[in-house]
Amino acid sequence: DAGITQSPRHKVTETGTPVTLRCHQTENHRYMYWYRQDPGHGLRLIHYSYGVKDTDKGEVSDGYSVSRSKTEDFLLTLESATSSQTSVYFCAISESRGEETQYFGPGTRLLVL
Amino acid sequence: SQKIEQNSEALNIQEGKTATLTCNYTNYSPAYLQWYRQDPGRGPVFLLLIRENEKEKRKERLKVTFDTTLKQSLFHITASQPADSATYLCALDPGGANNLFFGTGTRLTVIP
Repeated sequence: DAGITQSPRHKVTETGTPVTLRCHQTENHRYMYWYRQDPGHGLRLIHYSYGVKDTDKGEVSDGYSVSRSKTEDFLLTLESATSSQTSVYFCAISESRGEETQYFGPGTRLLVL
Repeated sequence: SQKIEQNSEALNIQEGKTATLTCNYTNYSPAYLQWYRQDPGRGPVFLLLIRENEKEKRKERLKVTFDTTLKQSLFHITASQPADSATYLCALDPGGANNLFFGTGTRLTVIP
């Protein structure tokens, strides 16, 4: 998985609880992305980062925040988890914008009860 | 609204045959299109990228075509093998900035 780790790999939490997912890369790639994958919807972009402290919203950003204080780490936070945020979350990285391959992490399976 | 459709949710094919998967899109004018493979419980893995000015791209047993008039890409796996069984995703970048929009995928099963 191209030097990308995600933690935790599995998490069960309760509605209203804050949750933070971590993505760590060893490739020194500038761009990092958070996606969620749900049946019938495919992968959808939540937020992305184009550098340390530089982030922007994706297609489905409501209810999520992100932070990137170091090149290698990109955190996704659910401030108050809801059942609709039950999903598989993937982190991805790319070296630059444009015609760049994205490399995906192994995913985090999150269940919100 | 923007939409990416992959022709079928699941496709079964006999080993040795050619598998053809379809990706149709509406309301986009993408500069390029990508295909990824995803195995159960794992993240997608990049396979091929084709640009709008390329009609066809090949990599080993894989071939991708891109018809911007029809707004369609076809993904072919020739001489398919059971190891090719996976879900295949197409992805578009409408703005050329690598914010990818993905189709829901086609789950391919190659039967020995």
